[in-house]
Amino acid sequence: NAGVMQNPRHLVRRRGQEARLRCSPMKGHSHVYWYRQLPEEGLKFMVYLQKENIIDESGMPKERFSAEFPKEGPSILRIQQVVRGDSAAYFCASSRPEQGLEQYFGPGTRLTVT
Amino acid sequence: GEDVEQSLFLSVREGDSSVINCTYTDSSSTYLYWYKQEPGAGLQLLTYIFSNMDMKQDQRLTVLLNKKDKHLSLRIADTQTGDSAIYFCAEVGEGNKLVFGAGTILRVKS
Repeated sequence: NAGVMQNPRHLVRRRGQEARLRCSPMKGHSHVYWYRQLPEEGLKFMVYLQKENIIDESGMPKERFSAEFPKEGPSILRIQQVVRGDSAAYFCASSRPEQGLEQYFGPGTRLTVT
Repeated sequence: GEDVEQSLFLSVREGDSSVINCTYTDSSSTYLYWYKQEPGAGLQLLTYIFSNMDMKQDQRLTVLLNKKDKHLSLRIADTQTGDSAIYFCAEVGEGNKLVFGAGTILRVKS
């Protein structure tokens, strides 16, 4: 049973470009969470999604950031017009519906904005 | 709001016990977690404890929970060099989201 998959593992973007981060949850998991880790800090919650639904986006910046989890395919975190302050590690976690409190994390995508 | 605090750094000798401490603010948290992060890697769920428990033991790991003081600790017995990593304490916030501390860097000297 493969774990949570994220790609790419490393992403370099110039200021003003778009970044797309993908997350495939573990088999049988239909809940996805995105977290951001700034350098030398802990993880901060961004958004919680179920298939085709955003449940909680209270941690998402109001502009430039969006997330989706379509019926088919991976969850996508999209950052438009990236700025240097977006450089961070972005982690995805997934859980089963009945075990929302057991979240399993992917390896992360490290975004560098130059 | 929710907040989790941890000591930043711990250095121990191989074979000694390590104790990593954490305090949290949300008394309604039902679960508290310990995650391990090795350099350049994701987070590995080490263990978790229900808020109605005082202690949980899992092989070399012992978790102690003091609900009155909102204090959580992780004890690693017979610490090995492979235990060197960053350890994150987390509590469950509103709506299943995890609230993490800033992490404790554990360095094990051989």
